Amino acid sequence: GQNIDQPTEMTATEGAIVQINCTYQTSGFNGLFWYQQHAGEAPTFLSYNVLDGLEEKGRFSSFLSRSKGYSYLLLKELQMKDSASYLCAVWAGRRALTFGSGTRLQVQP
Amino acid sequence: GAGVSQSPRYKVAKRGQDVALRCDPISGHVSLFWYQQALGQGPEFLTYFQNEAQLDKSGLPSDRFFAERPEGSVSTLKIQRTQQEDSAVYLCASSLKFERSYNEQFFGPGTRLTVL
Repeated sequence: GQNIDQPTEMTATEGAIVQINCTYQTSGFNGLFWYQQHAGEAPTFLSYNVLDGLEEKGRFSSFLSRSKGYSYLLLKELQMKDSASYLCAVWAGRRALTFGSGTRLQVQP
Repeated sequence: GAGVSQSPRYKVAKRGQDVALRCDPISGHVSLFWYQQALGQGPEFLTYFQNEAQLDKSGLPSDRFFAERPEGSVSTLKIQRTQQEDSAVYLCASSLKFERSYNEQFFGPGTRLTVL
């Protein structure tokens, strides 16, 4: 089976930096995704990591360590619109993704 | 439209009623996925199609759930004799084609099903 853990909720201040962690245990590993989901909306793709290391894309960066079963999403220069749920998802074995429960981020002024 | 569309956006059903949820994937996308998302949880896999072939239905919770994609484009998820525990958002996602190294899925807005 597969197990994905991420914190349930986080709070941060506008303009700050926040790191959302994700740990996973899988049988087989093809890659790890991060999605953003605003309340009542579809998840939207943020990043994809298949190799160890940091992938940077604008204000968002994602890190992967396959040996540790660990990833994090780093959000810089937080904006109010970044308030959303952030979903860690693992692609392992089959086509579908296995999602964590999501981390609800609240950005405060 | 350019994205994945789903209809209806909201559905209220009485317990025991049958429902049908529709998904229109992005044109040309070979793979189509259905997920179920309970409140406050991440999406959970239900079933997967490649073209018209249903290659994985291991996530369907019971035989009351049935999905089809007869022409390899539009898909319908049908739930028979709905029960209260079926209340959730049903998300459809599509991806361009099977790639060993990449599998970005584009999600639709979902159908929120409430069973009374």
